[in-house]
Amino acid sequence: DAKTTQPTSMDCAEGRAANLPCNHSTISGNEYVYWYRQIHSQGPQYIIHGLKNNETNEMASLIITEDRKSSTLILPHATLRDTAVYYCIVRAHLDSWGKLQFGAGTQVVVTP
Amino acid sequence: DAGVIQSPRHEVTEMGQEVTLRCKPISGHDYLFWYRQTMMRGLELLIYFNNNVPIDDSGMPEDRFSAKMPNASFSTLKIQPSEPRDSAVYFCASSPDSSSYNEQFFGPGTRLTVL
Repeated sequence: DAKTTQPTSMDCAEGRAANLPCNHSTISGNEYVYWYRQIHSQGPQYIIHGLKNNETNEMASLIITEDRKSSTLILPHATLRDTAVYYCIVRAHLDSWGKLQFGAGTQVVVTP
Repeated sequence: DAGVIQSPRHEVTEMGQEVTLRCKPISGHDYLFWYRQTMMRGLELLIYFNNNVPIDDSGMPEDRFSAKMPNASFSTLKIQPSEPRDSAVYFCASSPDSSSYNEQFFGPGTRLTVL
């Protein structure tokens, strides 16, 4: 599976949009981009995934560049409860199905 | 649904003792995963099951670790004998069939401390 690069940490003001970047320059054509987050002392939580089209759900939006070498997770209106470590993961859907390889992620701190 | 249930939530034991961690996946989910999280190594996949059958145990650190899934609603992760370096948070996760694009639902974790 391709590796991802994320900033170690970032701050965001409450009520503002949080834009979390992720680089995955070696992504293969059959690999999806997944985002999970982990709030302190809890298990990771799925946020969203995409292949090449932009995706939106009730939690966030995922913007994938046309060359698919990078993506951005957008939390449209950050709240204090969004403070967490955010993981960007790329993997093929059908190969080694179970393996989500979590990196170090981005520690996002939402401040009042 | 109550989500993935893990027990105990906290476990403190002494080196050399046997430790058994338990997991009840979400009803109807075909896949079950065991992860370990430490500050040094982050979140690592240890093993996963599909329809109660172990599919990939390449992440299991050594023979002291074993995992079983006797039925669709229960799994155990056993460490025997335990060592201080096994101290970590152990997460269990479950997932529906492969059409769900790998959305895994994690339990609250078991914090293990081996003295």
